[in-house]
Amino acid sequence: GAVVSQHPSWVICKSGTSVKIECRSLDFQATTMFWYRQFPKQSLMLMATSNEGSKATYEQGVEKDKFLINHASLTLSTLTVTSAHPEDSSFYICSAQRGHRGEKLFFGSGTQLSVL
Amino acid sequence: QKEVEQDPGPLSVPEGAIVSLNCTYSNSAFQYFMWYRQYSRKGPELLMYTYSSGNKEDGRFTAQVDKSSKYISLFIRDSQPSDSATYLCAMSLDTGRRALTFGSGTRLQVQP
Repeated sequence: GAVVSQHPSWVICKSGTSVKIECRSLDFQATTMFWYRQFPKQSLMLMATSNEGSKATYEQGVEKDKFLINHASLTLSTLTVTSAHPEDSSFYICSAQRGHRGEKLFFGSGTQLSVL
Repeated sequence: QKEVEQDPGPLSVPEGAIVSLNCTYSNSAFQYFMWYRQYSRKGPELLMYTYSSGNKEDGRFTAQVDKSSKYISLFIRDSQPSDSATYLCAMSLDTGRRALTFGSGTRLQVQP
């Protein structure tokens, strides 16, 4: 199956710093990438949809100035959590879509962010 | 009311049992239905994918969709301890929007 690489797998940072998370599709070109956030024992909540070469579309309630998404190529999308605070601590997961059918969606392994 | 409802469990069964996992949803526009397995602190892994109503079988897994009742199920036969994980149902609209709406997940424990 297709591989989506997400790095780092975990990060601990001080409040006020910025953290960048990378999501790469290793063996296919991703037409669209999605970023999700998951709190403990809760479901994945979509944060934003990212298409290569265009601005990301953010879900209601997600601050686009705080969660910066860059999708510079068909194989790489990055999520930067700017001026992170403890309430931003969560598990962040990216997914990449291959083709245009819903089932061709592959997930990264996730990034656990802990803000002290 | 959430768009997708799923019992969080945990559901504990003995090895070899048949497991039934379910989700209900409120948006009748959903057309694509999926089941994912997620191990702790890992990304979800696609298990089953179904378009519209009907059944689909893959090995020990069977997915059922009943659009008239807005109800989907995943059955696992001959459950194994390695099946212990959180199972997430997900669905998407039949439009250009490809993002998925997830259930909250059911935690399954298969006891050896």
